Amino acid sequence: EVQVVESGGGLVQPGRSLRLSCTTSGFTFGEHFVSWFRQAPGKGLEWVGFLASNIHGGTREYAASVKGRFSISRDDSRSIAFLQMNSLKTEDTAVYFCTCGNKLDFWGQGILVTVSS
Amino acid sequence: QAVVTQEPSLTVSPGGTVTLTCGSSTGGVTSGHYPYWFQQKPGQAPRTLIYDTSNKHSWTPARFSGSLLGGKAALTLLGAQAEDEAAYYCLLSYGGTNWVFGGGTKLTVL
Repeated sequence: EVQVVESGGGLVQPGRSLRLSCTTSGFTFGEHFVSWFRQAPGKGLEWVGFLASNIHGGTREYAASVKGRFSISRDDSRSIAFLQMNSLKTEDTAVYFCTCGNKLDFWGQGILVTVSS
Repeated sequence: QAVVTQEPSLTVSPGGTVTLTCGSSTGGVTSGHYPYWFQQKPGQAPRTLIYDTSNKHSWTPARFSGSLLGGKAALTLLGAQAEDEAAYYCLLSYGGTNWVFGGGTKLTVL
């Protein structure tokens, strides 16, 4: 059974950092892209960024709204991915979703990040 | 930044057919935008229904299909069921380095 589980969310003050984890099982993690999306309360979906698998060149791309502040990484040996979020802003408040798969196959249930003083 | 447009809301009768569309402010949507369609029910994570315009995942019900129609990406639901009531989002790729969502369509089955 495929499982994708986000963790590490919570309340953080503006300007601080937070790292989300995406723990997976049930598929060959190392062969797949990892993408992160977010959804502000009551709003639509927003793409955050992706990290290709090493066999696809390991390319990283980020949305303009997070470029230079957020970074995606992966540990294929543990089938886990990370979203490092620095210099957080109140507008980063959202549920963050991790997605694995070359065609956005497998979604986690999401984790809430609240940026507030 | 491109703007992707969807109908804010649509209503379909049970058993009926409805087409949701996805347009781009930069011009016509093509297969080069690799259109995706997602279904999201309240309180749940999105689920990917369609990728690369018209390809389905193994879990995608057969009544859903994707296409290009009149310069837009389209998601057609043939034979709507009550369980299809949800928000539907399209996603377009711009140059492979920038992905933009539409604002979503709230589909009511009534």
